[in-house]
Amino acid sequence: DIQLTQSPSSLSASVGDTVTITCRASGSVSKYLNWYQQTPGRAPNLLIYLASTLQSGVPSRFSGTGSGTDFTLTIHSLRPEDFATYFCQNSFGGPPTFGGGTKVEIK
Amino acid sequence: QLQLQESGPGLVKASETLSLTCTVSGGSVGTTRSFWGWIRQSPGKGLEWIGTIYYTGSAYYNPSLKSRVTISLDKSRNLFSLDLKSVTAADTAVYYCVRPAEFGCGETMCYWGWFDTWGQGTLVSVSS
Repeated sequence: DIQLTQSPSSLSASVGDTVTITCRASGSVSKYLNWYQQTPGRAPNLLIYLASTLQSGVPSRFSGTGSGTDFTLTIHSLRPEDFATYFCQNSFGGPPTFGGGTKVEIK
Repeated sequence: QLQLQESGPGLVKASETLSLTCTVSGGSVGTTRSFWGWIRQSPGKGLEWIGTIYYTGSAYYNPSLKSRVTISLDKSRNLFSLDLKSVTAADTAVYYCVRPAEFGCGETMCYWGWFDTWGQGTLVSVSS
């Protein structure tokens, strides 16, 4: 199975900051990597699929890059509603697995 | 708009079978090339894919759970179900039903897609 390692596991940032979260796969997943946002008590919400395609309705301040084993999720101009936990997920190379999550907290 | 809603007991005794249903609205589980699935989330294991079922009824399971899990469709009631037998405390989690946006299996590998619709989740606790 593909293992996904996210870093950092948590970070503190201020409204208006730009933050970058990394997801590293234990083997190549090509472009088949997706990102989700989860707020407390809610289900995860799809942000980006196929590494860089923005899900309908997701603000353009979210962006994703990467291929193979290394991927990043960038959030530009953080807004209060962006303080949440973010997960990556692989679509290929074995059963779907999720990263351990990155919690974005208010500084 | 597609909506999913989990239902089932919130407490299950150890060694018994956990059974959940997911009622679908705004779509049909029998639609050609539709796919449905279950994912769970626990503090210890994080998010864990349980399985995906194709509209034909063919199901694919996480190898770590395969011996204990069954996912099935009920087209007459427009829902799909999860049965997980012989549960232990390690199965305590929030269980989500999901809709994969894409899915396909070849001879040797499967493409699992991304999960674009989630139910609100239901907490299931396993008691000893």
